[in-house]
Amino acid sequence: DIQMTQSPSSLSASVGDRVTITCRASQAMSNSLAWYQQKPGKVPQVLIYAASTLRSGVPSRFSGSGSGTDFTLTISSLQPEDVATYYCQKYDDDPLTFGGGTKVEIK
Amino acid sequence: QVTLKESGPVLVKPTETLTLTCTVSGFSFSNARVGVSWIRQPPGKALEWLAHIFSSDRKCYSTSLKSRLTISKDTSKSQVVLTMNNMDPVDTATYYCARIQEGYSSNAFDIWGQGTMVTVSS
Repeated sequence: DIQMTQSPSSLSASVGDRVTITCRASQAMSNSLAWYQQKPGKVPQVLIYAASTLRSGVPSRFSGSGSGTDFTLTISSLQPEDVATYYCQKYDDDPLTFGGGTKVEIK
Repeated sequence: QVTLKESGPVLVKPTETLTLTCTVSGFSFSNARVGVSWIRQPPGKALEWLAHIFSSDRKCYSTSLKSRLTISKDTSKSQVVLTMNNMDPVDTATYYCARIQEGYSSNAFDIWGQGTMVTVSS
């Protein structure tokens, strides 16, 4: 099975900072990689799919990149409303594994 | 408007079997290439994918929980059912169902249910 490892597990940054979260697959995979945002007490919502496609309505400060085994979610200018836990997920085929999550807080 | 809604018991006893139902609306399994997964989240912990059923009715399961899970679909009722046997307190979690449109234009799990909290306790 392909395992998905996210890093860091948590981070604290200032408003306006550039934030980068990494998701590493244990073996090469397709670009069927999604990033989800889960705010406290809320249902996860997809931000990015196909590794780099921004879902309609998602602020342009979010971006995704990567291929093969290494994928990245970037928030270009962190905003207070971005406080959340972010998860990557491979969704191409069995197993549809999630990463362990990255909790983002404001410093 | 596409919605998914989970239903099932709030409380189950250890060793019992949990049965959860995901009722979908806004689309039909009979004419949409849509898959549905079950995902859970213990309090304060990460999301864990459990099981998935494709539009073709192919099924796949988390390797670690495979022996305890069964997923099925009732197209006429627009429902996806998950059963998990031999429940344990560590299975206490919010259980979500989520849908994915299959194919090249898939945008991952774009619609989720609100989740249903299940507590395992005697």
